[in-house]
Amino acid sequence: DSGVTQTPKHLITATGQRVTLRCSPRSGDLSVYWYQQSLDQGLQFLIQYYNGEERAKGNILERFSAQQFPDLHSELNLSSLELGDSALYFCASSDGTGANSGNTIYFGEGSWLTVV
Amino acid sequence: ELKVEQNPLFLSMQEGKNYTIYCNYSTTSDRLYWYRQDPGKSLESLFVLLSNGAVKQEGRLMASLDTKARLSTLHITAAVHDLSATYFCAVNLNFGNEKLTFGTGTRLTIIP
Repeated sequence: DSGVTQTPKHLITATGQRVTLRCSPRSGDLSVYWYQQSLDQGLQFLIQYYNGEERAKGNILERFSAQQFPDLHSELNLSSLELGDSALYFCASSDGTGANSGNTIYFGEGSWLTVV
Repeated sequence: ELKVEQNPLFLSMQEGKNYTIYCNYSTTSDRLYWYRQDPGKSLESLFVLLSNGAVKQEGRLMASLDTKARLSTLHITAAVHDLSATYFCAVNLNFGNEKLTFGTGTRLTIIP
C-alpha cells in the first residue's frame, strides 16, 4: 500500500457525461500528479500540483481539469467524455519541494474509467 | 521532446536465468526511475537513480545509470516466477517539477 488513495476504483459512464476522480496523497506529501494509462498511449503525464498550485502540465485535454485543495487532496474532472477517454487514471504523490529533489513518487491504485 | 525507449518490449525467460532490460532516453537527465506493475495494478517504485554511475540493488534486481550514454539498465539475477510483471523506466527532465516521462514498458514473463 503506497498510501495514495484514489476513488472510485471503477467507473462506467456514457459518452458526453462528466466524472470526477478523487485522490488523497500520502500524509505530508505536497505534490500530486495525475497520469493516464491506456493501451495505445501508454503512461502519459497529465498535470502536477504542488501545495495547491499548478506546477506542470502535460498532455491534458481541454475537456479535463484538475485542482488541489487546501487539505492537499486533488480532483481530476473529465467532461464531455468520449470512448477514447477509457483508461486507467493514476494519481501519484511525493513530498518533492519542486527543486529537483529526486524523491520517490508513489502511485495510487488507479481509477478505471470505462466510457460506453 | 524527451523520448524514452525500452527494450525488449516482451521478454520470456526461464527461472534461474539472468537478463537485462535496457532504457534509453533522448535528452540529458540524471534522474531515472524504475517501476514495476502487475496487470491492472498500481505502479510500485523499485529504484530512483540520481547520478551518473548510480547503482542500486534490491534482491534479484539491480539498476544502474549511465548519464553520458543516456542509458539505464535493470538486471535480473536468477529470475523467479514472482518477478513476472511489466517494468517501466521513467525519466525526469525538468527542474522545478517531477513530471515523469515513461518508457513503453517491458513485459517480463518468467517460465518455470
